[in-house]
Amino acid sequence: EVQLVESGGGLVQPGRSLKLSCLASGFTFSNYGMNWIRQAPGKGLEWVASISSSSSYIYYADTVKGRFTISRDNAKNTLYLQMTSLMSEDTALYYCARRGLRSYFDYWGQGVMVTVSS
Amino acid sequence: EIVLTQSPTTMAASPGEKVTITCRARSSVSYMHWYQQKPGASPKPWIYDTSKLASGVPNRFSGSGSGTSYSLTISSMETEDTATYYCQQWSSNSLTFGSGTKLEIK
Repeated sequence: EVQLVESGGGLVQPGRSLKLSCLASGFTFSNYGMNWIRQAPGKGLEWVASISSSSSYIYYADTVKGRFTISRDNAKNTLYLQMTSLMSEDTALYYCARRGLRSYFDYWGQGVMVTVSS
Repeated sequence: EIVLTQSPTTMAASPGEKVTITCRARSSVSYMHWYQQKPGASPKPWIYDTSKLASGVPNRFSGSGSGTSYSLTISSMETEDTATYYCQQWSSNSLTFGSGTKLEIK
């Protein structure tokens, strides 16, 4: 069974940093591209970042470019999102999602909440 | 970035009613994916590659479209279809979601 379990969220002050993790199981992690997608409270889905299976290709949404860094450790089956210079607008539920062979997100984690507030 | 505009934003349908949700792209895209999200739950893949149903999706759902206009259709609305539906595309190394359509039962 495919499982994606996010962790590392919490309450953080504006301007500070936070690192999210997503532990994958039930599939060969190193074969799949992975993504972070977020959802602000009561709002829609916003793609944040994408990383290819071997980390060769990395893309970011303009809203986080230069502040967030996506990475992965295939030996640990773990996806990361390093978030710096956090702003209140970054407050959201952050989902880890697997990009399937047909390029859509076929599995999602349960999400981890990040709240940026003083 | 390709902006996706969904319509309507919200709608209510009676049981058995046909429902169509539209997703329009500012520029032509090759395909569209759709997700269903219920309150308090993670999104689920629903329709991929414009018209293919994800695993477990009832066949009263269908998807169609091309270029800048895509749609998700429910042939006969059921109570369990109450949810928010999002379209999504990936092109030019940028990925975008539509703003969502909240579908309720009358």
